Order: sequence, then C-alpha cells, then structure tokens
Amino acid sequence: GAVVSQHPSWVICKSGTSVKIECRSLDFQATTMFWYRQFPKQSLMLMATSNEGSKATYEQGVEKDKFLINHASLTLSTLTVTSAHPEDSSFYICSARYRDSQQYFGPGTRLTVT
Amino acid sequence: GEDVEQSLFLSVREGDSSVINCTYTDSSSTYLYWYKQEPGAGLQLLTYIFSNMDMKQDQRLTVLLNKKDKHLSLRIADTQTGDSAIYFCAESLNQGGKLIFGQGTELSVKP
Repeated sequence: GAVVSQHPSWVICKSGTSVKIECRSLDFQATTMFWYRQFPKQSLMLMATSNEGSKATYEQGVEKDKFLINHASLTLSTLTVTSAHPEDSSFYICSARYRDSQQYFGPGTRLTVT
Repeated sequence: GEDVEQSLFLSVREGDSSVINCTYTDSSSTYLYWYKQEPGAGLQLLTYIFSNMDMKQDQRLTVLLNKKDKHLSLRIADTQTGDSAIYFCAESLNQGGKLIFGQGTELSVKP
C-alpha cells in the first residue's frame, strides 16, 4: 500500500520557538495532504487541507498564521508551528491522497512544548 | 451538523468476538470507515463500506450498516491480544474527502 512518512516522530521545543514537521508520500504523488491534530485519548481534528501548489484551506478555529502549511511539491507538505506554547503540545498526523483515492495516514509527530 | 459518536471503552477476553458501535448524523455520508490506531502510531485503515451496502466481510472483520438508524458496527471475530488498540469510525461524503471521526473506542483484550 501507499506509504506516508513524517519527520520528526517526536520533538521537544522551548516555548516561543518554531518547529517544522514534514509529511512525505514515499511511493505516490500526493495531490492533496491533510493535517490533523489529536489530543490524548481524543479524536482527530482536521486542521487544514492543502493541495499541491495552492494555499491551504484551514478549518474554522485554526489560526493560519500560527500553523503555517506549505505543500510545495507532490511528495512533501510541511506544517510549521510558530511561536509554540505549551497548549500546542499534541500529536500531529498528516494524511495524503492522490486525486480521489482514499487518504493514507502518516505515523504522527508528537510535539511537546516546554 | 456532522457528528460521529462511539462508546469509549470495550473489554473482551481473547478468543471472544468484539463489537464496536458507531452512530453518525449526516445522512448524506457516502463512505464509512473503520481505522485502527496503536499506541503512539498513526491510523491504519481496516475497512470501509459504501452507504448503499448493508454488510461487508473481510476475514475476521464484519461491518454492518443500518442506514435508517445511521448505525455502523465493526465485529472482530476471535479477538486476539494484538487487536488491542483504539478503533475510530469515520464518515465522508466522497472517497478521499474530509473525514469526520468519532472519539475512538479503546479495545482491551485480556488473555
């Protein structure tokens, strides 16, 4: 099946700094990538949808200036959490699809802000 | 609005069958999915069903859909300790489209 990777798998950063998370489709071209956030013992909440070469579409309540999404190529999307604070600590999961295929999920990135 | 509900916990003994239930509110949902998440990992698609189907079976997994009651269930036959995980149901209007997830059901399988 299609493989999606994320890097890093776990990151700890200090409050006020920015951190970038990468999402890559390894064996297919991802025309669309999705970014989700998951709090412990809770469901996944869609943050934004990005199409290659276009600006991301953010869900209601998600600050686009805080969570910068770039989908510059058909195999890579990045999520940058700017000026991170402890409340941004969470598990971030990306998914990717080619055209109308199902979404393939990455393994997730655990962000801890101290 | 769109809403997907699941019970939070289920505990079964190894070898028994597990049934995880899910209800959804959006009658226009076309695709209904079951995902498995192991600790610290991403989501693995287990199976999905189209809204015009009543049942789908795939090895130990059986999905039942009651469209009238907007009720979806996942039955795992001969549950094993390796099946212990969180199971999410999700709905979408089209394949690959925006997914609305339930809260997840934590399945605990005891030897």
